[in-house]
Amino acid sequence: DAGVIQSPRHEVTEMGQEVTLRCKPISGHNSLFWYRQTMMRGLELLIYFNNNVPIDDSGMPEDRFSAKMPNASFSTLKIQPSEPRDSAVYFCASSQDRGQPQHFGDGTRLSIL
Amino acid sequence: AQSVSQHNHHVILSEAASLELGCNYSYGGTVNLFWYVQYPGQHLQLLLKYFSGDPLVKGIKGFEAEFIKSKFSFNLRKPSVQWSDTAEYFCAVNAGGGSYIPTFGRGTSLIVHP
Repeated sequence: DAGVIQSPRHEVTEMGQEVTLRCKPISGHNSLFWYRQTMMRGLELLIYFNNNVPIDDSGMPEDRFSAKMPNASFSTLKIQPSEPRDSAVYFCASSQDRGQPQHFGDGTRLSIL
Repeated sequence: AQSVSQHNHHVILSEAASLELGCNYSYGGTVNLFWYVQYPGQHLQLLLKYFSGDPLVKGIKGFEAEFIKSKFSFNLRKPSVQWSDTAEYFCAVNAGGGSYIPTFGRGTSLIVHP
């Protein structure tokens, strides 16, 4: 049974470049979450979709960050332009429904030089 | 807005010691409560959950947690830890009756010495 699939696993790029992180949730799950994890700030919820609609994006740091969920099986998190302070591990998670346990992907380790 | 507080940021134990990690939340309504574990270099995995019913819930790997509504607490326990329990532990809350936006605590780093 495939879990949440994220790509790429690692991304190293120079500041100013556009970065796109991808996520495929578990089939049948209707809630999707993007998180950022750093030593300094812990695990931060960036955005939460339910049935492909953004429910809460108050955690998105600034306009450089954007997220889309064009269909139930795919979501992207984009950073443009990227900055060194965006370096972190970005996790995508999905759950069967609102309030249910979340299943996390393996994360994307992003380094902005 | 709801919040989750984990009192212990770092815990160091020897094998076979007992473990209790504190978690308190602030939300007056119905909540769903979770503990997740993150092993070094891995993603978060569900340890256990509480939705309703018996306030003492059992999870995987011998962990259990007790929901005390009057104290807004959901502490995690294990009677005898193992070296393999070395990990980061996160308490999480979903406020029911609304948008179910999840809130995670800052996490507790547990190191178990063999």
